[in-house]
Amino acid sequence: EVQLVESGGGLVQPGGSLRLSCAASGFTFSPYDMNWVRQAPGKGLEWVSYIISSGSTIYYADSVKGRFTISRDNAKNSLYLQMNSLRAEDTAVYYCARDRSDRYGDYVYNYMDVWGKGTTVTVSS
Amino acid sequence: DIQMTQSPSSLSASIGDRVTITCRASQSISNCLNWYEQKPGKAPNLLIYAASSLQSGVPSRFSGSGSGTDFTLTISSLQPEDFATYYCQQSYSTPYTFGQGTKLEIK
Repeated sequence: EVQLVESGGGLVQPGGSLRLSCAASGFTFSPYDMNWVRQAPGKGLEWVSYIISSGSTIYYADSVKGRFTISRDNAKNSLYLQMNSLRAEDTAVYYCARDRSDRYGDYVYNYMDVWGKGTTVTVSS
Repeated sequence: DIQMTQSPSSLSASIGDRVTITCRASQSISNCLNWYEQKPGKAPNLLIYAASSLQSGVPSRFSGSGSGTDFTLTISSLQPEDFATYYCQQSYSTPYTFGQGTKLEIK
């Protein structure tokens, strides 16, 4: 079964740090680009970060740039999100999601086809 | 950043109804538009990618259309399991952005 399992969430004080992990199984992890997406309580979905399969290209949302670092270890079939200088507004369920891309003519279509169940991060004193 | 605006924000409908949800992008995104369904306490689930391609395993009552800036998700005949929140998402450029969601409720 194709599966992503997040871990590492918890309660942390403002200004603190946390490292999230996402373990992939049931598919070959290394060829796939990956994403982190979050959802604050009662709110919509917010894309957080993207990493290419090799790890050589990375993008961040402005809201986390300079504070969060995405990384991966293809040998361990794992994706990570290091979160520093956490704020109350970072409180959310954090999902990892597999990125698929299909090429049709001049365009490449990306979509997130496999999602984990999420891990909850609460930033509060 | 590309802004995605869904309408309506909420919708009440009955079993068997045909339902349409609209998503508008703040600039042209070609067909780089995806639709997800999310049920309470669950992760999002991909329904439609590249504006109109049905993800494997998704019932054929779901369909997507549009290009450029205007897109629609249609459910041809609502089933009890379809009551959920639906999100559009553009993948034309980073930052990827989602619509605010449309909550579909039972009338």
